[in-house]
Amino acid sequence: AQSVTQLGSHVSVSEGALVLLRCNYSSSVPPYLFWYVQYPNQGLQLLLKYTTGATLVKGINGFEAEFKKSETSFHLTKPSAHMSDAAEYFCAVSVWGGADGLTFGKGTHLIIQP
Amino acid sequence: ETGVTQSPTHLIKTRGQQVTLRCSSQSGHNTVSWYQQALGQGPQFIFQYYREEENGRGNFPPRFSGLQFPNYSSELNVNALELDDSALYLCASSLRESGNTIYFGEGSWLTVV
Repeated sequence: AQSVTQLGSHVSVSEGALVLLRCNYSSSVPPYLFWYVQYPNQGLQLLLKYTTGATLVKGINGFEAEFKKSETSFHLTKPSAHMSDAAEYFCAVSVWGGADGLTFGKGTHLIIQP
Repeated sequence: ETGVTQSPTHLIKTRGQQVTLRCSSQSGHNTVSWYQQALGQGPQFIFQYYREEENGRGNFPPRFSGLQFPNYSSELNVNALELDDSALYLCASSLRESGNTIYFGEGSWLTVV
C-alpha cells in the first residue's frame, strides 16, 4: 500500500517569490509520483510526473519537482509565483499497472499575496 | 482539455435513491478509474476498469458499482444514497501500457439531501 503526506494545508507566498510545496510518500515498491493542480470548481490537471530516469522533472507553468528516494520526497517548486498559481495542489503516488489507482495527499492550498 | 468528459455536471438526489454518473474516456485510452472527492479532501480511489473488467477497488462498499463499455466509456452507479455520498466524483482515463499518465474529467457534483 502507498501513502502520501503533504506538509502544510495552506501555503502563502508573495507574488514573485519562490513556491515550495512539500510531499513525502510511502511505497513498498518503486513509485510513480504525480503533482496535480485543481482550480475552484474544476477537475484535476496534471502538472508533472515522475516514473523512472531523471529525478528532476519539469512540468507545465514553470513548475518542477525532484524525486529524492533517500528522503522519500517529491517536493514541488516554482522560482517565481504568479497570481494565477493560486489553487489547490495534490501530490499522488501509484505503482506500475496502477490497479490500486492513485493515492492522493490531502492537498495544499496555495495563496499568492500581491 | 483532457478529452475526458463527464455528465451530468451537477445533480441533487434524495437519501436512499440511486444515481448513475457517466464518463467518456480520452480517445485511445483503455483504462478508466473513478474517484470520490469530499469537500476539502483529496480524491479517494473507488475502482478501476481495464478492458471492461474491474481490476482494482478502493475501500468503498458494494453499493458503489461500475461498468466499462466496449468503447471504453464508463458508468458509476451508487445505490441507497447516503448524505455522506455528497461529493465531487471524478472520472479518469489512461492507457495502461503508457506509464500511468492519468487524465481527469471536470467531475460530477452530487448532493444528497
